[in-house]
Amino acid sequence: LAKTTQPISMDSYEGQEVNITCSHNNIATNDYITWYQQFPSQGPRFIIQGYKTKVTNEVASLFIPADRKSSTLSLPRVSLSDTAVYYCLVGDEVNFNKFYFGSGTKLNVKP
Amino acid sequence: GAVVSQHPSRVICKSGTSVKIECRSLDFQATTMFWYRQFPKKSLMLMATSNEGSKATYEQGVEKDKFLINHASLTLSTLTVTSAHPEDSSFYICSGLAGADTQYFGPGTRLTVL
Repeated sequence: LAKTTQPISMDSYEGQEVNITCSHNNIATNDYITWYQQFPSQGPRFIIQGYKTKVTNEVASLFIPADRKSSTLSLPRVSLSDTAVYYCLVGDEVNFNKFYFGSGTKLNVKP
Repeated sequence: GAVVSQHPSRVICKSGTSVKIECRSLDFQATTMFWYRQFPKKSLMLMATSNEGSKATYEQGVEKDKFLINHASLTLSTLTVTSAHPEDSSFYICSGLAGADTQYFGPGTRLTVL
């Protein structure tokens, strides 16, 4: 039922920019795209949300192409503390206001 | 961002007992709240959707008589695991829906059934 597809894992080094892409080919017209960060034994934490084009906040940027079938979360200059699982989430086009998580991307930041 | 709390954060119980988990939206009103379950190294699995003032809707395979959900106010939803068994041991996470698309998640509750 998950509407999103992400790479299972990614490796990076401290100080690098990390881009995580999510595919959501069947995104509905009214759906927003939301990204979350999750550390072990904690609930997911909201990072950023967007509908189209580019959104930036103090921790990340979100790039969404015109067809909205994918999105890219960009984390500038990652640190070891950014090691976590990152999920992109879109609503379910059939069941309104339901959200099914995909596998997420485990980001490993190395020193 | 908006804040959601869960209580307790951790609970250990004996097989056959019931456990209640509370989920509260602290600074916003959540007409809709969700309950998820997460097993180690796995993604979150949606269990049920809780709507204030109405019956919860459960995902396929989730027993509604075992996982009782009550959403009596705009800031509180509860999940009661009835007659818990070791296979119910998991990490339970709730979220409140703010607006149409933004969920804010609680910190989770670790349930261990002995």
